[in-house]
Amino acid sequence: GENVEQHPSTLSVQEGDSAVIKCTYSDSASNYFPWYKQELGKRPQLIIDIRSNVGEKKDQRIAVTLNKTAKHFSLHITETQPEDSAVYFCAPRDNYGQNFVFGPGTRLSVLP
Amino acid sequence: DTEVTQTPKHLVMGMTNKKSLKCEQHMGHRAMYWYKQKAKKPPELMFVYSYEKLSINESVPSRFSPECPNSSLLNLHLHALQPEDSALYLCASSHLRSGDQPQHFGDGTRLSIL
Repeated sequence: GENVEQHPSTLSVQEGDSAVIKCTYSDSASNYFPWYKQELGKRPQLIIDIRSNVGEKKDQRIAVTLNKTAKHFSLHITETQPEDSAVYFCAPRDNYGQNFVFGPGTRLSVLP
Repeated sequence: DTEVTQTPKHLVMGMTNKKSLKCEQHMGHRAMYWYKQKAKKPPELMFVYSYEKLSINESVPSRFSPECPNSSLLNLHLHALQPEDSALYLCASSHLRSGDQPQHFGDGTRLSIL
């Protein structure tokens, strides 16, 4: 099955700084790479995703980059704000709908 | 604005009780999921339904019994649960089961077993 890791497990940044979270996976059949944000006591919400035919995708302050050869993808958040404080999960998926594994999560704290 | 609705939000039950969790979506999605999430852990897949048929059961104990009565509804029937089953139970849906589909999650049911 898919083995998914995230680094770092916790991250503290000053408001306005950038944050980068890396997700590594093992299944070479993975071709869909979403990131979910879960605030305390709330549901996971998709914030950005990328498919394997694209190397980078950006949505305002959030971007995702993919290195399929090295089997990792990263979440980039620029100009961080206190409301970005949450746990972020990566969840690489294969095309067949067989693997539904989430990464262990990264707790991001944005300090005012 | 939650597109996947779960009820109840909280549930406390004894180990001998029988209860059900409910999940509803009206987005026309044909794949629905149950996840279990313990504190400070990622969601862990329990069941997947595709076109109202059970397609994945992640070796979940039989005290959890899923049901998908129609394309909009998903139930999880609970019986004789153990204290370690206390967790947040999340329902999710996606357009199809195939891997490149974003999942939409409900707010979850927080379950406590006494």
